[in-house]
Amino acid sequence: QKEVEQNSGPLSVPEGAIASLNCTYSDRVSQSFFWYRQYSGKSPELIMSIYSNGDKEDGRFTAQLNKASQYVSLLIRDSQPSDSATYLCAVNLEFPGAGSYQLTFGKGTKLSVIP
Amino acid sequence: GAVVSQHPSRVICKSGTSVKIECRSLDFQATTMFWYRQFPKQSLMLMATSNEGSKATYEQGVEKDKFLINHASLTLSTLTVTSAHPEDSSFYICSAGRQSTNYGYTFGSGTRLTVV
Repeated sequence: QKEVEQNSGPLSVPEGAIASLNCTYSDRVSQSFFWYRQYSGKSPELIMSIYSNGDKEDGRFTAQLNKASQYVSLLIRDSQPSDSATYLCAVNLEFPGAGSYQLTFGKGTKLSVIP
Repeated sequence: GAVVSQHPSRVICKSGTSVKIECRSLDFQATTMFWYRQFPKQSLMLMATSNEGSKATYEQGVEKDKFLINHASLTLSTLTVTSAHPEDSSFYICSAGRQSTNYGYTFGSGTRLTVV
């Protein structure tokens, strides 16, 4: 059973458009949610974190969290060709009774921004 | 802040030899470090979780005798691929986190291992 699911894409958007990336997660208690960007051949880089329901904006990026729906998304406004990368959703999932958490990644969505 | 240094960035070794990869947290104490492997065009696969001063916890299907992990201090974890074979060729990435669950984990720059 997959814990964190993402549409693998590829998602293609024209330059200047809004790219919308989605992620759902299993129903274990989760407190923290992250979006990472990974360029080909490079390691992931943290771009957004969100901990409470609602929207969080940082420059052209907006993360949206809905815990009731177990859904987290990332919007990229004014998409640029340099945004072309794989975007990984990560969720801190609790192991019930163990008091421990594990950062669990989705498989990533490949985004291509077309000039 | 939260810088994780990983070395080497690339290594080519002969089949049957061992390779050690280092992961250091430079400006914070990493109570937990994670080792991932990523094959081309695939997602990150968690190999093991190591906590300072204790044995690593390996994910199912990962051979603990082949992938030796040492986390002897709060700033250093090492992964040794023993008796490497061509199928071990992959991108190995470490990440480190603080005690709190709410911090994002920082990744090292990764090690591209090629076994010939």
